[in-house]
Amino acid sequence: EAAVTQSPRNKVAVTGGKVTLSCNQTNNHNNMYWYRQDTGHGLRLIHYSYGAGSTEKGDIPDGYKASRPSQENFSLILELATPSQTSVYFCASGDWGGADTQYFGPGTRLLVL
Amino acid sequence: QQQVRQSPQSLTVWEGETAILNCSYEDSTFDYFPWYWQFPRESPALLIAIRPVSNKKEDGRFTIFFNKREKKLSLHITDSQPGDSATYFCAEQGTGSKLSFGKGAKLTVSP
Repeated sequence: EAAVTQSPRNKVAVTGGKVTLSCNQTNNHNNMYWYRQDTGHGLRLIHYSYGAGSTEKGDIPDGYKASRPSQENFSLILELATPSQTSVYFCASGDWGGADTQYFGPGTRLLVL
Repeated sequence: QQQVRQSPQSLTVWEGETAILNCSYEDSTFDYFPWYWQFPRESPALLIAIRPVSNKKEDGRFTIFFNKREKKLSLHITDSQPGDSATYFCAEQGTGSKLSFGKGAKLTVSP
């Protein structure tokens, strides 16, 4: 069974503060992804990675950075958090093979005040 | 730049009825179309998927019908059960294994 964990599960941050969301996967998958989910928008891709040391911009990367220090870990960094970044963030992992099933973590609820 | 469009946004059916969720896409180069479902307060999970080489994929009560010429898909859920109540996301996979999701369709199955 795929295992993707996220921390923290809930976070309250102040505007202008730095926020780091962490994701760990034990599937040995090459690919990892960060999405945000907002009512009316579905799942939107922020950043993704093909392996340790690589990060790529997704569809909505502005205001976010990503870091992939190892195969297992993928972080999403909000250097200067804004209230518009209040959302639920999902991390996912998957493996390239033409049909990439993505396994999602439990999500992090972020509230920026 | 929503490339995957879903309709309806919400649907309510009675238990035992067939629910039909629709999806359309723009880019003909995509070659993998998964559907994910998400239960309240849970994370999305893969339900069923299809490749354009097929026009139908069946898994139990869930069937994808694919019309490549019209760039449309539909998910049919036969004999709908209250436990099928969830949000369903159509997605398309492009280059580099990126998935583009639709905005989702909320299905409610009333007993």
